[in-house]
Amino acid sequence: DTGVSQDPRHKITKRGQNVTFRCDPISEHNRLYWYRQTLGQGPEFLTYFQNEAQLEKSRLLSDRFSAERPKGSFSTLEIQRTEQGDSAMYLCASTHGTTDTQYFGPGTRLTVL
Amino acid sequence: DAKTTQPPSMDCAEGRAANLPCNHSTISGNEYVYWYRQIHSQGPQYIIHGLKNNETNEMASLIITEDRKSSTLILPHATLRDTAVYYCIVRILSRDNYGQNFVFGPGTRLSVLP
Repeated sequence: DTGVSQDPRHKITKRGQNVTFRCDPISEHNRLYWYRQTLGQGPEFLTYFQNEAQLEKSRLLSDRFSAERPKGSFSTLEIQRTEQGDSAMYLCASTHGTTDTQYFGPGTRLTVL
Repeated sequence: DAKTTQPPSMDCAEGRAANLPCNHSTISGNEYVYWYRQIHSQGPQYIIHGLKNNETNEMASLIITEDRKSSTLILPHATLRDTAVYYCIVRILSRDNYGQNFVFGPGTRLSVLP
């Protein structure tokens, strides 16, 4: 257990529905990252926050995806109008200060039927 | 970030040392080598990182060649619980680049056999 928690751990939804995932980083970690991982591949970067500011977004983050970190603590990732191609593991990681080591949560596995 | 090359899979006998290689021939002078692993259905777990000196911690040892074009992660006494995908990542660690994401490749799937 790294101290990064994610909720839910599993989500099954029907195509076209909206889903929201939550990530709680390690306390006092000011940087928070979202990654997506499909079967057999390494994690792919989606977006990154420093405190409450979203500083970088990957081109993988289509208009249907939105992420927030309103108070610089927990973060949410929302996917609107889900598609079967969105089925993946969504991972959250956090880091602090001058260290660049990212600590990952257990992930949320999304299945879109 | 420099690209890395790792074998897709390796086997290791339980109790023996597991030596996982990584090639990073285009690494630049200010890029660090990081290793993470991912046990099935879990998030990636940090193992170790280094710049040019060999590093050791409670989990593993990292041996970086003198020219820094390759490295080896050593698990000294592999157990069944070390079965996982191991990722080698190189990235800049500088004040201007704090906060950048990691770029993961497909990694090496290590199977520790009883």
